Amino acid sequence: QVQLQESGPGLVKPSATLSLTCTVSGASIRTYYWSWIRQPPGKGLEWIGDISYSESTSYNPSLKSRVTISGDTSKNHFSLQLNSVTAADTAIYYCARLTAAAGSNKYMDVWGRGTTVTVSS
Amino acid sequence: SYEVTQPPSLSVSPGQTASITCSGDKLGDKYASWYQQKPGQSPVLVIYQDTKRPSGIPERFSGSNSGNTATLTISETQAMDEADYYCQTWDSRTVVFGGGTKVTVL
Repeated sequence: QVQLQESGPGLVKPSATLSLTCTVSGASIRTYYWSWIRQPPGKGLEWIGDISYSESTSYNPSLKSRVTISGDTSKNHFSLQLNSVTAADTAIYYCARLTAAAGSNKYMDVWGRGTTVTVSS
Repeated sequence: SYEVTQPPSLSVSPGQTASITCSGDKLGDKYASWYQQKPGQSPVLVIYQDTKRPSGIPERFSGSNSGNTATLTISETQAMDEADYYCQTWDSRTVVFGGGTKVTVL
C-alpha cells in the first residue's frame, strides 16, 4: 500500500522560502511521477509541479519562477521549495503520486493528508 | 494556457442522478479524471481515463468525455456523496484542474 506523508514548517515568514518534504512508503520514487498540489483556504486545487522517475520536472507556469522540486532516492522522498512567499501562498499543500500513461492520460491516484502552511510575520 | 470550467455548485435529491460537467476546448481529445473531496479530507480519485473507476469506488460513479465536455455522473446519489468534485486533464506538460463543483444532496 503506497502512502505519502508531507512534512515541514507550518508557519513561514513573508519573503522567505517555503520548504516541504513528501516521504513515500510502499513504492520507490524511482518509479512513477510525483506531484505537489496546493489548496488555499476555501478555494480549489492548484497544481504546483511534478518530478519524474528520471528527475525531470514540470512546473505550473504561474509559479515556475519561484518553484523547485527535487528528489532524494536514498531517503525515498521528494521536496518542494517555493521562494519569496507572500500571504497568497497560504494553503494546504498536498503531495501525490502521478500515474503518467500515454499522452494526456495522467492522474493522481494516491494523495498525502496535506500539510497547512501559513505565511505570516 | 489550457483551461477547464466547472459549474460552482449543483443540488440533487437523494436517489436522483447528479451530472457534473467540465468544459474545455476539444477536451474530448484529451483524457479527463475526477476527484472527490469531502471537508477536511484529501482529494480521492473517482474516475480516470474518462470512464474508469479505481478499485473501491462505487459503480454509481461513471464518466464520459466527448466534444468539449467531460461529465461525471453520480447515479442514485446518496448523502455521503455530498462533496466538492474536481475535473483534471493534462496539456503541454502541465496538470490542469477545474475550479470545482460543490454538490449538495438535499
